[in-house]
Amino acid sequence: DQQVKQNSPSLSVQEGRISILNCDYTNSMFDYFLWYKKYPAEGPTFLISISSIKDKNEDGRFTVFLNKSAKHLSLHIVPSQPGDSAVYFCAVRRTGANNLFFGTGTRLTVIP
Amino acid sequence: KAGVTQTPRYLIKTRGQQVTLSCSPISGHRSVSWYQQTPGQGLQFLFEYFSETQRNKGNFPGRFSGRQFSNSRSEMNVSTLELGDSALYLCASSFGPTGTDTQYFGPGTRLTVL
Repeated sequence: DQQVKQNSPSLSVQEGRISILNCDYTNSMFDYFLWYKKYPAEGPTFLISISSIKDKNEDGRFTVFLNKSAKHLSLHIVPSQPGDSAVYFCAVRRTGANNLFFGTGTRLTVIP
Repeated sequence: KAGVTQTPRYLIKTRGQQVTLSCSPISGHRSVSWYQQTPGQGLQFLFEYFSETQRNKGNFPGRFSGRQFSNSRSEMNVSTLELGDSALYLCASSFGPTGTDTQYFGPGTRLTVL
């Protein structure tokens, strides 16, 4: 029973353009949302997070949008750079619990 | 500040053996969580420790166990290894257990069971 889904296994974007990665979750009890970036044989690296009281959070080139009614979040990367090429995971959790539920990941390739 | 460290980075074991993996959290972090990553199941939560107590456990068999020491370092143990236990095992640390702190991951231990 997959509680968090990333329906696009891969995404290719030209350098300088916007990358949009999407994530859907099923349980409305989740109230904290994170994006991680992962290279092969390494641990996930934290990128950005958002709590359910917000609908947008921005950090440099990265912006996360949350649509609670649709149970959907997205990560925008602008402008995309070749170094952004990696697998991106969304993760969700409930306040009071540290266990993260991860999506299946989207492999982003930024073409120079 | 040093990041989360995990040892060893790579392990090869045979079926039926047991294995112990170690995790040292970021200095000052008292919560440690363990995750398993496999191609088929993705990233799945194993368990979480805070102040030497297991707070939360994922849906894994009892062959998977863990513990935390007074210095917040944590170990996980897998007994009677099966081929399906081959995976990347990741440790994550955070300041507290409330779920409002960001979890930072170590590089992982790649376990291969032959």
